Amino acid sequence: NAGVMQNPRHLVRRRGQEARLRCSPMKGHSHVYWYRQLPEEGLKFMVYLQKENIIDESGMPKERFSAEFPKEGPSILRIQQVVRGDSAAYFCASSPLQGATDTQYFGPGTRLTVL
Amino acid sequence: AQSVTQPDIHITVSEGASLELRCNYSYGATPYLFWYVQSPGQGLQLLLKYFSGDTLVQGIKGFEAEFKRSQSSFNLRKPSVHWSDAAEYFCAVEGSSNTGKLIFGQGTTLQVKP
Repeated sequence: NAGVMQNPRHLVRRRGQEARLRCSPMKGHSHVYWYRQLPEEGLKFMVYLQKENIIDESGMPKERFSAEFPKEGPSILRIQQVVRGDSAAYFCASSPLQGATDTQYFGPGTRLTVL
Repeated sequence: AQSVTQPDIHITVSEGASLELRCNYSYGATPYLFWYVQSPGQGLQLLLKYFSGDTLVQGIKGFEAEFKRSQSSFNLRKPSVHWSDAAEYFCAVEGSSNTGKLIFGQGTTLQVKP
């Protein structure tokens, strides 16, 4: 059973470009979480999605950031018009059921660098 | 609001020595608590978790943690550290909503001296 997959693992963008980060959850998992880790900091929750629904986006910046988890395919975290402050590691985690009681399994992360 | 504090940013211990990483949390009800480890350039791996019951929790790789409600603490321990334990360690608590989102501490970087 493959783990949570994220791609690309490293992404370099120039200021003003768009960044698309993909997360494929573990097989059978229909819950996806996105977290951001800024340099020298812990992970910060961004958004929680179930298939085709955003459940909790309380950690998402109000502008330029969006997330989706379509019925088919991976979850996408999209950052428009990137700025240097968006440089961070972005992790997704998946879970088979709502709530961390079933444990969130983390992917290896996408490291975004904005030049 | 829920929060997690890891007072030690960096800790250095000698190989074979014992280890304790501190974690304090702020949470109104009975918390669900976690310890994760992150090796350089890698994702997070769950070491152990506490939901209820026995306050001393055993995890993988020889780690254990003790939940102390009176001190709002969930410290991670290992009796004898190995060089491969060098990594960053994160304590986390489940947020108050039932969505399963995790609130992480700032992390403690463990360095192991030979």
